[in-house]
Amino acid sequence: GAVVSQHPSRVICKSGTSVKIECRSLDFQATTMFWYRQFPKQSLMLMATSNEGSKATYEQGVEKDKFLINHASLTLSTLTVTSAHPEDSSFYICSARESDRGTNTEAFFGQGTRLTVV
Amino acid sequence: EDQVTQSPEALRLQEGESSSLNCSYTVSGLRGLFWYRQDPGKGPEFLFTLYSAGEEKEKERLKATLTKKESFLHITAPKPEDSATYLCAVQVLMNTGFQKLVFGTGTRLLVSP
Repeated sequence: GAVVSQHPSRVICKSGTSVKIECRSLDFQATTMFWYRQFPKQSLMLMATSNEGSKATYEQGVEKDKFLINHASLTLSTLTVTSAHPEDSSFYICSARESDRGTNTEAFFGQGTRLTVV
Repeated sequence: EDQVTQSPEALRLQEGESSSLNCSYTVSGLRGLFWYRQDPGKGPEFLFTLYSAGEEKEKERLKATLTKKESFLHITAPKPEDSATYLCAVQVLMNTGFQKLVFGTGTRLLVSP
């Protein structure tokens, strides 16, 4: 299957600072990338959908000014958690969909980033 | 509202003891049902996609089936390495014209030797 690389895998930051998470599709071009958040023993909750060259679409209840998403190229999307607080501590996962196989394609996931805000 | 419900929440099996995981869904327009495996601290790993009722797919000890209301993931003669959380997701169309996945809460499977 296709490979999606997410970096870093773990990050600890101080409250009030910002953290950037990168998501790269290594062997395919991804028109659409997705960002999820997962709390312990819970499912993946979609935060936003990122389309290359346009503004991200955020799910209801997700603060767009706090979770900045940039999809600058067909292989890279970034999520920046601004002014992080302890309640932002979570497991963040990105996924990417291949853009050249029509709409019925599977989404491949990155390895996830464990964010801890202290 | 699109909903995905997985059962059981957790399942303990002995090695070799076959069983099935259930995924029930209510969506306005199904554009595919996905099964993923997730190990602790990792991202989901793609297993299967099913698009129409009656469709079945197999991979090693796993077999996924789909009806109009639910999907089953059958595990035949499981091994300890099959222990993981199995996630079901339905693909739906957003107002933007793009598609997204709506996930269930998963079934945590533990296979004992």
